Amino acid sequence: QKEVEQDPGPLSVPEGAIVSLNCTYSNSAFQYFMWYRQYSRKGPELLMYTYSSGNKEDGRFTAQVDKSSKYISLFIRDSQPSDSATYLCAMSAFNPPGGYQKVTFGTGTKLQVIP
Amino acid sequence: DTGVSQDPRHKITKRGQNVTFRCDPISEHNRLYWYRQTLGQGPEFLTYFQNEAQLEKSRLLSDRFSAERPKGSFSTLEIQRTEQGDSAMYLCASSFTKDREFNEQYFGPGTRLTVT
Repeated sequence: QKEVEQDPGPLSVPEGAIVSLNCTYSNSAFQYFMWYRQYSRKGPELLMYTYSSGNKEDGRFTAQVDKSSKYISLFIRDSQPSDSATYLCAMSAFNPPGGYQKVTFGTGTKLQVIP
Repeated sequence: DTGVSQDPRHKITKRGQNVTFRCDPISEHNRLYWYRQTLGQGPEFLTYFQNEAQLEKSRLLSDRFSAERPKGSFSTLEIQRTEQGDSAMYLCASSFTKDREFNEQYFGPGTRLTVT
């Protein structure tokens, strides 16, 4: 069983729709929860991250973390064609000073927003 | 704005040949990471450097793989005796370490390796 599970999609929605992307995980040590966006033939770029449980909003994007259920979500409001990309969830555990926060990625969900 | 750069962007090689990739991190970033990403999968951690020291290697990194970061600046990843299973996108990322804080990793565009 993978530490991080993510539905690969693809997910196709009309422009303006609300998009919900989700991941589950098994490692209870994870404390940082990230969402990356990756366009075709490009490297991933960080969209937002949260520490521990709770919600975080940034413009049209909202990230939610429920550590009790080991479940994280990313919501995209008023989706745009430019949001078409692969969305990767990623997680890391907190390390002591000088330690490395190894990042474990999900498989990614491919999203297409149709004009 | 100079982000993380990688060279070459694409490499086609025959099975059994050696290949070397280069990564130039963002200036003054002290940590550098290598990942491998295959089609339909997320990036998988291979190794990381803090300055010039290689501090962790994944079990994915077989003896045919070696990475260096001389002088703590650019890094190279070499694959010896390539196999078809090595075909993947090799991603480099860098970050500036802040202990007990979130360290954002900035990714390069990747080097796509095809082994024929």
